[in-house]
Amino acid sequence: EAGVTQSPRYAVLQEGQAVSFWCDPISGHDTLYWYQQPRDQGPQLLVYFRDEAVIDNSQLPSDRFSAVRPKGTNSTLKIQSAKQGDTATYLCASSNSGNTLYFGEGSRLIVV
Amino acid sequence: SQWGEENLQALSIQEGEDVTMNCSYKTYTTVVHWYRQDSGRGPALIILIRSNEREKRSGRLRATLDTSSQSSSLSITAAQCEDTAVYFCATDTGYQNFYFGKGTSLTVIP
Repeated sequence: EAGVTQSPRYAVLQEGQAVSFWCDPISGHDTLYWYQQPRDQGPQLLVYFRDEAVIDNSQLPSDRFSAVRPKGTNSTLKIQSAKQGDTATYLCASSNSGNTLYFGEGSRLIVV
Repeated sequence: SQWGEENLQALSIQEGEDVTMNCSYKTYTTVVHWYRQDSGRGPALIILIRSNEREKRSGRLRATLDTSSQSSSLSITAAQCEDTAVYFCATDTGYQNFYFGKGTSLTVIP
């Protein structure tokens, strides 16, 4: 069984640039999560979906961050006008109805 | 915040020693997951303990949960070099939104 796939693995941006991260969850998993993990900290939940519906996006900085999962499978997290404070690893996880989370390798973002 | 004020802690032990890591949380949880994260990888679940359990074992791992004090612990018996990783606990308030603590960085020295 293929795991959670994320791309790109790395991105280096200047402040003000935009970036999109893509996630392909484990086939059949209905729940998809995006976490932000700053260096030396635990993952912090940004948003999660059940199928195509957003369940909770209260921690997503809505002015610059957006996330979609239009067909209830793959998902994209976009950051517009990146800031240095966005430097972190962005982790995607999927689960089958909220049981064990299976994480991808993460997308490491550096904003200079 | 769901969490106490612990920062990422660092522990360094000799191979063969036992080690215990703790986490405390502020609100109700139905389950505590413990994940390990190797450098450059995503977290992976190693053990979970539900709110109606006080202790759970899996190989050299032992998790405890005290809902009255809102705390959980993870113990590793006879640690090995391959146990070197960062360990996180994560809670679920029942809405399947998992919140992670700041973690413990464990280094096992041969």
